[in-house]
Amino acid sequence: DAKTTQPTSMDCAEGRAANLPCNHSTISGNEYVYWYRQIHSQGPQYIIHGLKNNETNEMASLIITEDRKSSTLILPHATLRDTAVYYCIVRVEHTGANSKLTFGKGITLSVRP
Amino acid sequence: NAGVMQNPRHLVRRRGQEARLRCSPMKGHSHVYWYRQLPEEGLKFMVYLQKENIIDESGMPKERFSAEFPKEGPSILRIQQVVRGDSAAYFCASSPTTGSSPLHFGNGTRLTVT
Repeated sequence: DAKTTQPTSMDCAEGRAANLPCNHSTISGNEYVYWYRQIHSQGPQYIIHGLKNNETNEMASLIITEDRKSSTLILPHATLRDTAVYYCIVRVEHTGANSKLTFGKGITLSVRP
Repeated sequence: NAGVMQNPRHLVRRRGQEARLRCSPMKGHSHVYWYRQLPEEGLKFMVYLQKENIIDESGMPKERFSAEFPKEGPSILRIQQVVRGDSAAYFCASSPTTGSSPLHFGNGTRLTVT
């Protein structure tokens, strides 16, 4: 699976949008972009995923550039409870031994009051 | 629809004892993954199982660790003769059969070896 690069940390003000960038310049055509987050001492929580079109759900929006070499996760109205480590992961479609997710260090988002 | 259930949430074992960690996947999910997170470190893949089969165990330590996912019942991660270095959070995830569906994680078992 392609490697991803994320900043180490960022912060934003409560109520503002949080834009979390991710670079995946070696992504292949059949690799999806997944975002997870881990709030302290809990299991990773799935947020959203996409292939090439932008995606939106009740939690966030995922914007993937046209060349697919980078993406941005947008939390439209960050709250204190969004403080967590956010992981950007690329993975091929679920096929046998390639099914696992490989977590990097992620980006620590701190939402300040 | 219940999520991935792991038990126990906390497990304390003395050095040399055995630890058995259980994971019940989400309903309809036939694929299970185990991850380990050492204190202040990232999530590391251990093993991927389908019903009655180990598909990928590339992250499993060569000794003392084993995993199973029987036809009936939960997936079990077993650690024999635990050592202090096994103290960690162990997370289980599940997914449906194929496609781009994401993995869904449980809240983990925190193993402490004294």
